[in-house]
Amino acid sequence: EVQLVETGGGLIQPGGSLRLSCAASGITVGINYMSWVRQAPGKGLEWVSTIYSGGATEYAGSVKGRFTISRDTSNNTMYLQMNGLRAEDTAFYYCARRYSGHFDFWGQGTLVTVSS
Amino acid sequence: QSVLTQPPSVSAAPGQKVTISCSGKTSNIGHNGVSWYQQLPGSAPKVIIDDNNQRPSGIPDRFSGSKSGTSATLVITGLQTGDEADYYCGTWDSSLSAGYVFGTGTKVSVL
Repeated sequence: EVQLVETGGGLIQPGGSLRLSCAASGITVGINYMSWVRQAPGKGLEWVSTIYSGGATEYAGSVKGRFTISRDTSNNTMYLQMNGLRAEDTAFYYCARRYSGHFDFWGQGTLVTVSS
Repeated sequence: QSVLTQPPSVSAAPGQKVTISCSGKTSNIGHNGVSWYQQLPGSAPKVIIDDNNQRPSGIPDRFSGSKSGTSATLVITGLQTGDEADYYCGTWDSSLSAGYVFGTGTKVSVL
C-alpha cells in the first residue's frame, strides 16, 4: 500500500522560511516523478513543483526562486524548502506522485499559514 | 491562476446525470491528456479519470470522460449522495514554465 505523509506545516511570519517533508512508503521516491500541489483554504488546486527521477526540477512561476524541491533517497523522503513566504502562500500542501500525466497517489496534506 | 475554466457548480437529483465542462487552449488540453480529480470534503483529491477517458481501478463506470479539441467533459450518471464533492480537471501545459494546470473546480450537489 502506498502512503505519502506530509509534515512540517505551521504558522510562520511573512518573510520566514519553512521546510515541508513528504515521507513515502510503498513507492520509491528516487525513481518516480514526485510533486507538491497546494490549495488555499476554500480555493482550488495549484501545482507547485515537480522533481523528476533524474533529478531535474520544475516550478510554478508563483514560487520560482523562493521554493526548492529536493529528495533524500536514503530515507525515501521528498522536501519543499520555502523561503520568503508571503500571505498568498497560505495553503494546504499536498505531496503527490505524478504517473503518466496525472497524480495518482496523494498525501493527506499539511497546512502552512503565513501571518503576522 | 487557474487556466482551465469549469462551471462553479452543477446539481441534480439522485439517479440523474451531471455534466462538467473544462475549457482550455491548444497548449494544454489541445496537446495533452486530461485527468479529472474528485475531492470529498476534508480529503485529498483522488484521480477518477486519466488520459481523457480512462478509469483507474476501482472507479465505477458511472464516471466517464471525453475530450474534443481544447475542451474536456466529465459525466456522472446515476448520481449518488456520495458523489457530492468538488471536481477538478487537470493537464500539463506545454507553454514555457507553465507546468501542470488545474481547472477552477466544480461543486457537485445532489438535490
